Amino acid sequence: EPEVTQTPSHQVTQMGQEVILRCVPISNHLYFYWYRQILGQKVEFLVSFYNNEISEKSEIFDDQFSVERPDGSNFTLKIRSTKLEDSAMYFCASCCRPPAGEQFFGPGTRLTVL
Amino acid sequence: GNSVTQMEGPVTLSEEAFLTINCTYTATGYPSLFWYVQYPGEGLQLLLKATKADDKGSNKGFEATYRKETTSFHLEKGSVQVSDSAVYFCALSDDNGNQFYFGTGTSLTVIP
Repeated sequence: EPEVTQTPSHQVTQMGQEVILRCVPISNHLYFYWYRQILGQKVEFLVSFYNNEISEKSEIFDDQFSVERPDGSNFTLKIRSTKLEDSAMYFCASCCRPPAGEQFFGPGTRLTVL
Repeated sequence: GNSVTQMEGPVTLSEEAFLTINCTYTATGYPSLFWYVQYPGEGLQLLLKATKADDKGSNKGFEATYRKETTSFHLEKGSVQVSDSAVYFCALSDDNGNQFYFGTGTSLTVIP
């Protein structure tokens, strides 16, 4: 069964460093998303991406964040200068047929900023 | 705007007990509604969905009915098992499908 994969599973970084979180969506999907979940809190939308551009982004997704689809398979989230409050679980998702189609989620990357 | 309000947890039940997790929503337009489940250490998995009013989603003994008149999508299961222990998230997808709006999650623990 096709699945969304994410790497790394856990990333530890120092405050102020750049991190890149990687995702491989399901191959025939065209819509891609990033969410985050701070420990014990709700899953929050960050950004959606379609046709090589951002479709929608939340207030959380400020200038420190960027997304890219550098090739036909990867979808990345970059945080340029990490802050302590960026520590969270980051989930990538992909979808083939919004709005009724389900979003398929990856297992997540746990980001710890020290 | 769009939002989902979910029953606060944690919920602890004995095996074979009846489960209800309440979910209500606020949305413009005609959202699709979903329940996702997160097992310990794993990502979110779709449990069931409903795309229009009066639809019933069902999977693995879980059910939820899209009630437009009460803006609700409550999750139910007649007889829970220990393996159902997880966090359950109610979510809605806006008209464009550009984002999902999640509830806060309800942690369920089923004890033998």
